[in-house]
Amino acid sequence: SQTIHQWPATLVQPVGSPLSLECTVEGTSNPNLYWYRQAAGRGLQLLFYSVGIGQISSEVPQNLSASRPQDRQFILSSKKLLLSDSGFYLCAWSVLRSGNTIYFGEGSWLTVV
Amino acid sequence: ELKVEQNPLFLSMQEGKNYTIYCNYSTTSDRLYWYRQDPGKSLESLFVLLSNGAVKQEGRLMASLDTKARLSTLHITAAVHDLSATYFCAVPYFGAGSYQLTFGKGTKLSVIP
Repeated sequence: SQTIHQWPATLVQPVGSPLSLECTVEGTSNPNLYWYRQAAGRGLQLLFYSVGIGQISSEVPQNLSASRPQDRQFILSSKKLLLSDSGFYLCAWSVLRSGNTIYFGEGSWLTVV
Repeated sequence: ELKVEQNPLFLSMQEGKNYTIYCNYSTTSDRLYWYRQDPGKSLESLFVLLSNGAVKQEGRLMASLDTKARLSTLHITAAVHDLSATYFCAVPYFGAGSYQLTFGKGTKLSVIP
């Protein structure tokens, strides 16, 4: 069965510091991968998606970036965090087959102070 | 641009009562997804509705899809406290070779004794 792991689960970072969130998927190959953000009390915003290694599309301009160095690895980064980057970050995956459900990781809580 | 609207956004209901959450979307889609999110947790897939007239039920929750009206409903029967959570509907679209979901803002359900 497929599983998705995301880490770290929680982090508190000062403004201007770098960020790296990592996500890996097991049990499937060539998945679509996604990074979503959920600000406190708000809906989900798609930040990045990837259809393959090295292929990243950005949905929203910001100081975040994403990379996919391996088929089942997706990384969210920032060189300098802003206060507005605080939120709940969710990695997700899907494969193009019947149902096409998108499955979410456990999430990472980021607080920028 | 695909828009997904849920109502109500907040719902407080007594145990044992029935209620319906509505999800409207703006462009043609033959499928729709419902997710549940517990406080501080990630999203869990609830229902996948894959065609017009599709109906899925699990426990006290029943979801349906009317693609002609671009409307999905999530009906709660005889609510219990364990159903307290935020419920999201999501509609897919294919953009730039990738499969994505656009989410509603969520309905925060509180079931009170």
